[in-house]
Amino acid sequence: DQQVKQNSPSLSVQEGRISILNCDYTNSMFDYFLWYKKYPAEGPTFLISISSIKDKNEDGRFTVFLNKSAKHLSLHIVPSQPGDSAVYFCAARANTGNQFYFGTGTSLTVIP
Amino acid sequence: NAGVMQNPRHLVRRRGQEARLRCSPMKGHSHVYWYRQLPEEGLKFMVYLQKENIIDESGMPKERFSAEFPKEGPSILRIQQVVRGDSAAYFCASSPRQGSQETQYFGPGTRLLVL
Repeated sequence: DQQVKQNSPSLSVQEGRISILNCDYTNSMFDYFLWYKKYPAEGPTFLISISSIKDKNEDGRFTVFLNKSAKHLSLHIVPSQPGDSAVYFCAARANTGNQFYFGTGTSLTVIP
Repeated sequence: NAGVMQNPRHLVRRRGQEARLRCSPMKGHSHVYWYRQLPEEGLKFMVYLQKENIIDESGMPKERFSAEFPKEGPSILRIQQVVRGDSAAYFCASSPRQGSQETQYFGPGTRLLVL
């Protein structure tokens, strides 16, 4: 029962261009969403979050957009840099629950 | 500025042995979560603990797995009589509080290989 889905296992982008990573969810009770970045052999690193009361949150080169009616969120990275190459996980949580639900990840490669 | 610490980073066990995974949360964090990541999959929640209490173990297999977070010392995830299917990366996360906009900070993980 995958409640958070990342349908693109991989994405390649040229350096300097925009990277767009997508995430869909099924549970309408989710009200808090996060993006994590993960390098091989390391734990996930928190990147950016968004509450369901907002539809956009920006932090430097990273912007997360939330479309509640479509149950969809996306992470935009602009401009993309080679150091952004990693696996990106989206996660979601309901305010009535304890756990975060993670997607299966999208592997981003930024080509110099 | 120590983050979440996990040890060992790699653990090899033979079928039937016990595996003990340790997690020290970030300073000031009293909430600990354990996740498991199987190959080609996302992280799956296992258990949520506060000091001396298991709050939610709905993601833990019913047998062979147990977790604790004692008053002193690290949190321990214990797997008894390991089987090959237990081979995975086990991540611990901690947070300073539990709430609707909580952020969890992850350790580097323990990679368990069962031969």
